[in-house]
Amino acid sequence: GDSVTQMEGPVTLSEEAFLTINCTYTATGYPSLFWYVQYPGEGLQLLLKATKADDKGSNKGFEATYRKETTSFHLEKGSVQVSDSAVYFCALSDRGSTLGRLYFGRGTQLTVWP
Amino acid sequence: DGGITQSPKYLFRKEGQNVTLSCEQNLNHDAMYWYRQDPGQGLRLIYYSQIVNDFQKGDIAEGYSVSREKKESFPLTVTSAQKNPTAFYLCASSNEPGLAEETQYFGPGTRLLVL
Repeated sequence: GDSVTQMEGPVTLSEEAFLTINCTYTATGYPSLFWYVQYPGEGLQLLLKATKADDKGSNKGFEATYRKETTSFHLEKGSVQVSDSAVYFCALSDRGSTLGRLYFGRGTQLTVWP
Repeated sequence: DGGITQSPKYLFRKEGQNVTLSCEQNLNHDAMYWYRQDPGQGLRLIYYSQIVNDFQKGDIAEGYSVSREKKESFPLTVTSAQKNPTAFYLCASSNEPGLAEETQYFGPGTRLLVL
């Protein structure tokens, strides 16, 4: 079945450090891939997405490339800020199913220190 | 402003009590979803609805019920049969369900606590 595995946290970085959060997936169809971000006590906000192989999603300095050969969608940012501290979720939507439901990873807590 | 609203922000349930969580969207989306989030876990799907008057069970539907009488509204009832209801509940809606461009948008959540 469909599933998402992302690196366990917590991840702790100093401001301006480089960020990578790994995400790999298993899917039976042709998934779209997403990164969502959750700030404390809030709902999820869409950060970026990619709908087909080799697409790169980007937003607010974050990037992720849809790699079909390695079934991966790793999140990267070149220089993190304190305001990036949040929980990040990788998710997939398998369009091969009758409904594009989302399958989520467990989330990775990121803390950025000044 | 278009978006998804959930109320209340916090909800307290007594033993044996049914409680209803509200979810409203003005995005004109056909599909709506309810997820449960527990600490350290990803989101798990409770129920979903693709169109008005139709809904389907997700992975953890036992102890929950829903209705979809209007396109804008998808309330979730946590019944007394749900023995471990303490969690953060998230409602979402999406455009173009099942298509490549589908994207789910989330509300701010309701935290349910048992007294």
